Amino acid sequence: DGGITQSPKYLFRKEGQNVTLSCEQNLNHDAMYWYRQDPGQGLRLIYYSQIVNDFQKGDIAEGYSVSREKKESFPLTVTSAQKNPTAFYLCASSTGTADYGYTFGSGTRLTVV
Amino acid sequence: DAKTTQPPSMDCAEGRAANLPCNHSTISGNEYVYWYRQIHSQGPQYIIHGLKNNETNEMASLIITEDRKSSTLILPHATLRDTAVYYCIVRGGGFIKAAGNKLTFGGGTRVLVKP
Repeated sequence: DGGITQSPKYLFRKEGQNVTLSCEQNLNHDAMYWYRQDPGQGLRLIYYSQIVNDFQKGDIAEGYSVSREKKESFPLTVTSAQKNPTAFYLCASSTGTADYGYTFGSGTRLTVV
Repeated sequence: DAKTTQPPSMDCAEGRAANLPCNHSTISGNEYVYWYRQIHSQGPQYIIHGLKNNETNEMASLIITEDRKSSTLILPHATLRDTAVYYCIVRGGGFIKAAGNKLTFGGGTRVLVKP
């Protein structure tokens, strides 16, 4: 079955360490997105990519980095520059056209201690 | 992207229809209305979307007013498993390599279905 996979589901890191969250899709979607969600809040866009080797900053890109070397993969690195990294991170993909919705992964809950 | 306004919460009785309103008075002609829901600690799930006409699928119905400034998501027979946060989103049309093609989530409506 086609889908989008995020791993791991739970991640614990020490303060000051960089950490990379994985996102893989086998839907042949061109566009991929990373969102952050804090407790009781909506989703905020971190980065998005509409084609391989190209990506754009979203609304809260500071302290994050991404790469898009393959169509299937869009990893997110949370760097030590991110002031408050503890959150629920969601990856999504889409064909890119407006008449098609997003498919979301099940999320990674990152806790920095 | 046009902004949307939704009530922060609403309750619904199990087995009854749930009508979720959304205002999007600044929507432009090529923007679609999307509805997603998010059950606690899961990724959002696509429900339905539309441009001008009313739409229906196995999950819900979407009623868009003629002036497109508001819409209503209808869950015809709510079950306990429909308890979730429901997001109404408007999104630009076409494959635009710019801000118009991404989904912007607001606070949504927290729906509690009660037995």
